[in-house]
Amino acid sequence: IAGITQAPTSQILAAGRRMTLRCTQDMRHNAMYWYRQDLGLGLRLIHYSNTAGTTGKGEVPDGYSVSRANTDDFPLTLASAVPSQTSVYFCASSESDGQPDTQYFGPGTRLTVL
Amino acid sequence: GQNIDQPTEMTATEGAIVQINCTYQTSGFNGLFWYQQHAGEAPTFLSYNVLDGLEEKGRFSSFLSRSKGYSYLLLKELQMKDSASYLCAVYDSNYQLIWGAGTKLIIKP
Repeated sequence: IAGITQAPTSQILAAGRRMTLRCTQDMRHNAMYWYRQDLGLGLRLIHYSNTAGTTGKGEVPDGYSVSRANTDDFPLTLASAVPSQTSVYFCASSESDGQPDTQYFGPGTRLTVL
Repeated sequence: GQNIDQPTEMTATEGAIVQINCTYQTSGFNGLFWYQQHAGEAPTFLSYNVLDGLEEKGRFSSFLSRSKGYSYLLLKELQMKDSASYLCAVYDSNYQLIWGAGTKLIIKP
């Protein structure tokens, strides 16, 4: 059982390019999340999905979009990357939504936008 | 606004005890988590507190005082592998998880 996988592990991207970060979980968790982590700041929520077919905006959603076509996959797309999107991106999942529940994290994607 | 405060960095000696504090000001409270994050890795779950008091789990304990908006993580018998960042996170009234910036713990021999 892999838990949560993310791809790619790292990427260097030219500004203005489109990029999709992939996230897959095999725990059949209902809720999934995308965070970015920057030095000196806490994890910041970009988008979330409480269940397949629904998504919501987090604290820093601008410049990002997500989809949740099924339970397992939750891709994050940067339509036109900018240098301020250089960060480490973590995908996470939890069994339930709407109540306190442990979130499990993927290994992260280190993205550099030049 | 919502705010979670933790010290940026702490240093301790192998075999000793260290206490990492977390204070929070959030719109409502539905529980507090501690996560451990080694450099270059993902955060991993350590503990969850929703009621006041101490929760003990092996060498790690976590304490919560809801009236004071305060928690601490206590690490005993420190080992070199405990060198990591420790993240405090609070569920607010909307069940959004608010994260602190983390405390980097350096263990010296």
